[in-house]
Amino acid sequence: EAQVTQNPRYLITVTGKKLTVTCSQNMNHEYMSWYRQDPGLGLRQIYYSMNVEVTDKGDVPEGYKVSRKEKRNFPLILESPSPNQTSLYFCASSPLTANTNYGYTFGSGTRLTVV
Amino acid sequence: AQSVTQLDSQVPVFEEAPVELRCNYSSSVSVYLFWYVQYPNQGLQLLLKYLSGSTLVKGINGFEAEFNKSQTSFHLRKPSVHISDTAEYFCAVSVPNFGNEKLTFGTGTRLTIIP
Repeated sequence: EAQVTQNPRYLITVTGKKLTVTCSQNMNHEYMSWYRQDPGLGLRQIYYSMNVEVTDKGDVPEGYKVSRKEKRNFPLILESPSPNQTSLYFCASSPLTANTNYGYTFGSGTRLTVV
Repeated sequence: AQSVTQLDSQVPVFEEAPVELRCNYSSSVSVYLFWYVQYPNQGLQLLLKYLSGSTLVKGINGFEAEFNKSQTSFHLRKPSVHISDTAEYFCAVSVPNFGNEKLTFGTGTRLTIIP
């Protein structure tokens, strides 16, 4: 089954304790991206990657890091989490826009609480 | 930069009645348009998309949307709603071949079906 897999689904952590949220896709998509969803703000892009070893900032990158060492994996790293990073996080993948199958496939989400 | 406006944050509708969820976008260049649905405690699922061709797009679960370039709109419609349509609906836009392949989302419309 074509899917984007995120882990964990739920995470409670303390301020300053480094954490990683994993994301993996099995569709051989070039493009991957992380979004955070907050009430009243919709979804905002954190980072994106156009292909292996190619990553760039989205609209709200502060406090986050990513890496793309393999095509299928795109982990999100919070080196020193703070309470304002409490949110619902989604990973997504897609072919590039030149492909007629362009359109994001989303993971099930990770609900992160930083206390 | 492109942007999306969903004017209605909440829409209550009686079961079996028709519904229209409004979406307007802003962009100086051609765009791709999407509607996603988010059921409670789940990720986002693609309902339908407009990349090119016919301006009337049919999606899953009986939904359709019409791309109106002159009015910069992409309203979502369903002739008869069911309880299972209760969810949050997001309109999104991207600019093809512009580098980021990014989807910019509206703030969402919560559709509540009244029995």
